[in-house]
Amino acid sequence: EAGVAQSPRYKIIEKRQSVAFWCNPISGHATLYWYQQILGQGPKLLIQFQNNGVVDDSQLPKDRFSAERLKGVDSTLKIQPAKLEDSAVYLCASSFGREEQYFGPGTRLTVT
Amino acid sequence: AQTVTQSQPEMSVQEAETVTLSCTYDTSESDYYLFWYKQPPSRQMILVIRQEAYKQQNATENRFSVNFQKAAKSFSLKISDSQLGDAAMYFCAYRSFYSGGGADGLTFGKGTHLIIQP
Repeated sequence: EAGVAQSPRYKIIEKRQSVAFWCNPISGHATLYWYQQILGQGPKLLIQFQNNGVVDDSQLPKDRFSAERLKGVDSTLKIQPAKLEDSAVYLCASSFGREEQYFGPGTRLTVT
Repeated sequence: AQTVTQSQPEMSVQEAETVTLSCTYDTSESDYYLFWYKQPPSRQMILVIRQEAYKQQNATENRFSVNFQKAAKSFSLKISDSQLGDAAMYFCAYRSFYSGGGADGLTFGKGTHLIIQP
């Protein structure tokens, strides 16, 4: 069974530029999560989707971050414009119902 | 809001020995899940073990076991017969059992870096 796929694995941009991350969850998983992991910290939930609807985006900085999940499958997380403090690893996870969350390999973003 | 605290930034253990990683949490809920995740340098989070708060019996998965003390809000991970492949960051995480609208994202601690000495 294929795992959660994410791309790109690494991205370096300058502040005030925009960037987008892509996630493809495990087939059949209706729930998709985006987490932000700043160096030296545990992951923090940014947004949770159930199919293509948003369940929780209370910790998403909506002035610069946006996310969508078209057709309830793939998801894209965008940052525009990026700030230095956005440097982090962005993890995508998916789950079937309320079972275990399976994580992707993450995208490491460096903002200079 | 729930919080998870891991007070050991780094732990070191000799290969084949036993090590215990600590985790405490704060919640007003009575039903919830607790997890230990392993994150190797590849960054992929891997579930090690999970515990349902309503179960009194401590979870065990091969060399990994937990000591769940609900009243003390403590959830430690014991790794027996440590192996070189166990070296990684270990994160303790909390998830609500009942959540409004289906929100069930994980709340993580800051992690413990486990070093295995050969």
